[in-house]
Amino acid sequence: AQSVTQLGSHVSVSEGALVLLRCNYSSSVPPYLFWYVQYPNQGLQLLLKYTTGATLVKGINGFEAEFKKSETSFHLTKPSAHMSDAAEYFCAVSRGIEAAGNKLTFGGGTRVLVKP
Amino acid sequence: NAGVMQNPRHLVRRRGQEARLRCSPVKGHSHVYWYRQLPEEGLKFMVYLQKENIIDESGMPKERFSAEFPKEGPSILRIQQVVRGDSAAYFCASSPESYGLAGGPDEQFFGPGTRLTVL
Repeated sequence: AQSVTQLGSHVSVSEGALVLLRCNYSSSVPPYLFWYVQYPNQGLQLLLKYTTGATLVKGINGFEAEFKKSETSFHLTKPSAHMSDAAEYFCAVSRGIEAAGNKLTFGGGTRVLVKP
Repeated sequence: NAGVMQNPRHLVRRRGQEARLRCSPVKGHSHVYWYRQLPEEGLKFMVYLQKENIIDESGMPKERFSAEFPKEGPSILRIQQVVRGDSAAYFCASSPESYGLAGGPDEQFFGPGTRLTVL
């Protein structure tokens, strides 16, 4: 079974400060890893994903994440927060096995508040 | 390009009634996933369907819940005899395939969700 843990259900950052959202996963097979963002009353939008290859993944809106197998982590960062980054962020994992389909297992989410 | 459409956006039902949630995937997508988001929780997988087939329903409650994705028309998630614990946001996602030509999973495109309130 797979699971995802996001440390911190709420994070508050100042505009212009570093955004760091933590994600740890467990998986019995090589995982595919994702970060999604959810704005109020909207669906989820994919920020970035890791499948294979380069462990530092760049996504949209200036976000990036690094896959660290030894630490089973996939933390999300952005060097400088913008007011528009206020949203809820979800880390997710899927099994790297094609026959299993691509169902996503999500973490509990981290709500980001950006202070002016 | 139209994205994933879900309707209704908000649905209110009394205990014991039926709820029918509709999902129209992105045009050309043949894979549909349903997820449920309970208050203050992350999304939980419910069911994965391809046209006319249920591939994985391991996340579906054993009773009262069913899903279909017919050859024509939207995917339907049906909840019979709703209870207060069914109150949640239900999200549908679609993808063209489960895995892309280059290897790795195809992106799932999410709809805006249906927020079900059971009184």
